[in-house]
Amino acid sequence: LAKTTQPISMDSYEGQEVNITCSHNNIATNDYITWYQQFPSQGPRFIIQGYKTKVTNEVASLFIPADRKSSTLSLPRVSLSDTAVYYCLVGDRRGNEKLTFGTGTRLTIIP
Amino acid sequence: EPEVTQTPSHQVTQMGQEVILRCVPISNHLYFYWYRQILGQKVEFLVSFYNNEISEKSEIFDDQFSVERPDGSNFTLKIRSTKLEDSAMYFCASQAGGGGQFFGPGTRLTVL
Repeated sequence: LAKTTQPISMDSYEGQEVNITCSHNNIATNDYITWYQQFPSQGPRFIIQGYKTKVTNEVASLFIPADRKSSTLSLPRVSLSDTAVYYCLVGDRRGNEKLTFGTGTRLTIIP
Repeated sequence: EPEVTQTPSHQVTQMGQEVILRCVPISNHLYFYWYRQILGQKVEFLVSFYNNEISEKSEIFDDQFSVERPDGSNFTLKIRSTKLEDSAMYFCASQAGGGGQFFGPGTRLTVL
């Protein structure tokens, strides 16, 4: 299972773009990169998943360089409601794969 | 948008009692999971379930724990004899195949 490293915490002001980078040097060929968001006392929420290059959805963008040893979650124009813990996970995207959560990045949005 | 639901939202029980936590996964999903999160700690995997049997379980998932999918919609986690250290948020998740796992809102279990 590829280990991931991400900042423990980040602060940003409302309206800014926030980029959270995750390192995964030992990513395997079959591994995908998935980001989850968790608010206090709630379950993790799937944000985005990608394999290479760039993926964008209505919530975020995920940038993955060619070597795939890192990835960057980009949140455009954050608001106070984006204050949460963000987890980067790496693994096979087939079903039946347990998720191993780290401590994540605690993002605090400042008014 | 379909979502995973869990009941109850909060369960208080006495040590040694049995509890059943209930989940209704998203209807066309095939893979089901239970995780837990002790206050202030990481989300921990408990068990995965596919095709009516356990696929994988963690060290936490000992003989006191069991899971069941009694009908086509519910997915339950039973703790036979609760301990103080079982107090945590318990999250159910379901997954279609590839892609992400979708989590429920959780059940807060408090063991007194």
